[in-house]
Amino acid sequence: DTGVSQNPRHKITKRGQNVTFRCDPISEHNRLYWYRQTLGQGPEFLTYFQNEAQLEKSRLLSDRFSAERPKGSFSTLEIQRTEQGDSAMYLCAYPRPLLTGELFFGEGSRLTVL
Amino acid sequence: GENVEQHPSTLSVQEGDSAVIKCTYSDSASNYFPWYKQELGKRPQLIIDIRSNVGEKKDQRIAVTLNKTAKHFSLHITETQPEDSAVYFCAAPRQGAQKLVFGQGTRLTINP
Repeated sequence: DTGVSQNPRHKITKRGQNVTFRCDPISEHNRLYWYRQTLGQGPEFLTYFQNEAQLEKSRLLSDRFSAERPKGSFSTLEIQRTEQGDSAMYLCAYPRPLLTGELFFGEGSRLTVL
Repeated sequence: GENVEQHPSTLSVQEGDSAVIKCTYSDSASNYFPWYKQELGKRPQLIIDIRSNVGEKKDQRIAVTLNKTAKHFSLHITETQPEDSAVYFCAAPRQGAQKLVFGQGTRLTINP
């Protein structure tokens, strides 16, 4: 039990298709983060939410990417017109309660764009 | 913004020996420095962290040291075991933004 459920765990798609990933925290968290991790690299920040408000977006998040958190609980990350460079692990995370700074990551959704 | 550099990128040590991984950061206002361990196909998991009001923290075989003047912090693993083989990431918060910036990672291999 990681405290965060991510689906699908693995998605293989053809270039140009749209994909959507979902993150469901087990319990309520005010903040929710999306990170991307490519092979051999550290996680890179994409965006984060405070409740349902999207407060910051990285320059990595091009116009083809959109994230939502409609009710301040689960979140979705959609990638339109996927490119091979989008192949990566997409990680959802939340801050641990009472521990300022620590991020607790979900198991991630691995995207492979052919 | 915060920049985090991590060295070495790969490290191979004999079982039982010690391993040291170093990170430097650029933002002198950073006050929290976590280390994450990531096994193959798994999520990054926090193994130890340190705040800027202390210079060293230890948890069994792992320890982290912080030099605020030089703006670097290190992970020390003693009496290494095969299960320590993984990729390790350091991170530092980007001030003014609610996020962690990660280093490039160190692939640690423990040779039996």
